[in-house]
Amino acid sequence: EVQVLESGGGLAQPGGSLRLSCAASGFTFSNYVISWVRQAPGKGLEWVSSISSRGLRTYFADSVRGRFTISRDNDKNSLYLQMNSLRVEDTARYYCAKDVTNSDYDYGALDVWGQGAMVTVSS
Amino acid sequence: EIVLTQSPGSLSLSPGERAILSCRASQSVSGSFLAWYQQKPGQPPKLLIYYASRRATGIPDRFSGSGAGTDFTLTISRLEPEDFGVYYCQQYGNSPLTFGGGTKVQVK
Repeated sequence: EVQVLESGGGLAQPGGSLRLSCAASGFTFSNYVISWVRQAPGKGLEWVSSISSRGLRTYFADSVRGRFTISRDNDKNSLYLQMNSLRVEDTARYYCAKDVTNSDYDYGALDVWGQGAMVTVSS
Repeated sequence: EIVLTQSPGSLSLSPGERAILSCRASQSVSGSFLAWYQQKPGQPPKLLIYYASRRATGIPDRFSGSGAGTDFTLTISRLEPEDFGVYYCQQYGNSPLTFGGGTKVQVK
C-alpha cells in the first residue's frame, strides 16, 4: 500500500523549534517530489515547502522561508521539516504529500497524503 | 502569487443533482496546472483532478474538470451522498503553489 506517515508534532513555545518526519512506503520514494502542506484549525490549505526527488532543489512559502528547512533521506525513504523560530501562526496540522507525477518540473499535484502531524505553538 | 477565488462558498444539493464549482485565478495558470481536492472532516485532502481535467486514479467519472487560463470548473454530474465535503482548487504552475479558499458541498 502506498502511504506516508508523519510524526514529530507537538507543543512548542514561540521562538522554539520542532522537527517533523515523514516515513514513506509502497512506492519508489526517490523518484518523487514530496511536499509539506499545512492547515490551521478550521482553515484552508496552505502549501509550505517542496523538495525535488534527489533533494537538490527546495522551495518554500514566503511565510516560512528562512525559518523552515526541508530535507530528505532517500536511503531511509524519509522526509523532514525542521521548523525554527516558530510563531503562533505556525499552529496547524502539517501534511506530508507525494506528487502524482515523477517529474521534478511540473510538481505540485498531490495524490498521497498522510493523516498529518499537529503542531501547536503557544506560550 | 496567484490568488484562487472559489465560488460559491457553499452549496446544498440533493442526490442526483449536478454540482458546478468554480475556481478563478488572479492570473493565467501556466500549463493548466490546476488540481481539485475533496476533504472530509478529520481526513486529509483527496486528489480528484489534476492538469485541469485528468481524473486521479480511482476517481469516479461523475467528477470532471475543465477550463484553462484563469477560469476552471469542477463538475459533479450526479451527486452521491458520499460527495459531501470541502472542495479545494490548487494551482501548481507558478511558485508559490496556492489553494483556493474552498467550496463546502452539502448533500441533502
